[in-house]
Order: sequence, then structure tokens, then C-alpha cells
Amino acid sequence: EAGVAQSPRYKIIEKRQSVAFWCNPISGHATLYWYQQILGQGPKLLIQFQNNGVVDDSQLPKDRFSAERLKGVDSTLKIQPAKLEDSAVYLCASSLMAGSMNTEAFFGQGTRLTVV
Amino acid sequence: TQLLEQSPQFLSIQEGENLTVYCNSSSVFSSLQWYRQEPGEGPVLLVTVVTGGEVKKLKRLTFQFGDARKDSSLHITAAQPGDTGLYLCGGSQGNLIFGKGTKLSVKP
Repeated sequence: EAGVAQSPRYKIIEKRQSVAFWCNPISGHATLYWYQQILGQGPKLLIQFQNNGVVDDSQLPKDRFSAERLKGVDSTLKIQPAKLEDSAVYLCASSLMAGSMNTEAFFGQGTRLTVV
Repeated sequence: TQLLEQSPQFLSIQEGENLTVYCNSSSVFSSLQWYRQEPGEGPVLLVTVVTGGEVKKLKRLTFQFGDARKDSSLHITAAQPGDTGLYLCGGSQGNLIFGKGTKLSVKP
């Protein structure tokens, strides 16, 4: 079974530039998460989709971050414009369905973003 | 606001020692999960606990869910260098949030 695919693996941009990350979840998984992970810390939930609807985006800095999940499958996360403090690893995860008792989240390898 | 607090934040021990990592919250969660993350990789699920008071064992790892479903612990017996990694506690209330993690280093 193919895992969660993310691209690119690494990205270096200058501050005030734009960047986009792509995620392809495991086939059949209804729930998709985007997390931001600062070096050495736990992942911070940015946005959660159930199919193509947003379930939780309370921690998403909406003035610069946006995300969409077209047709309830692939998803993109965009930052525009980027700031130095956005340097982090952006993890995508998917699960069969959120809210059920034993919902395991499967993670991609992440995209390491460096803003200079 | 949901919040999961993990302690300790860092732990450096010798091979063969035992250790316990804690995960606490003021919120009740429908389930708590423990993940382990290695450098350059995404977290991987170790266990899910659902019932208050539940204890699960995975080889040398023992996981416990508090009676009130607000806290959990992970105990490792006779730690090995292969146990080195970032241990994350994740809580679910329809979403999935994480604590800041415990970075464990086991030295040979």
C-alpha cells in the first residue's frame, strides 16, 4: 500500500516569496491533516479536512496561509508571503476517518522549508 | 483550548535503564495515541488507548491511559539505543493534536 506522498522534500525561499506544498494521501482516507513542526517540537495542527470540507483551521494563520483539498483527494498548502518564522517542516497526514476511536494517522516524510 | 503537555522534554539515559514519559491535559480525549518520530521522517503510531484505566504492552513498552482519560504514560523497560527518537503524545476529539514531545537519547 502506498503511503502519504509529499513534495517537494526541501525548499529554500527568500522572505516575502510564495511557496506551495503538495500532498497525496493514502487512497480511501477521508481525513487529511497539515501540520507545522518547528525543529525539536511536536507537530502543530494547521488545518484538517474531512473529504473536501474544512473541519478545523483554528490554528491556521489565514492572513498568509491557505489550503485546499480538491475533489477530496490531493491537497495543497500555500504560504504567501513567507516570513522567517515559517521555517519548519510541514507534515501531511491522512486517516480513514477522524473522530473514531482507533483512527491511526499516517504521515508523509514532510517538506522542510527554510526561509532566508 | 485543547492542550497536551509532555514531560520531560529531554531525556538522556544509558542502555538498560528504565524510563517513563508523561502526557497530561485538562481536557478529556476520546483516545490518546503515542507516536515515535525519527529524524527526517514523519511520526509512526505505536499505540492507541481508548478506555480509561487501559494498559497496553508492546514488547518493552507499557502504555497507560488515566481513569479520567486526561492523561497517559509511556514506560520503557531496559531501554536500547534503537529506542532513541522523539516520542509524541496525540489526543483526539474529532481532530488530532500533539504535545511538544519528549526527545529520548539512549546511549550504548
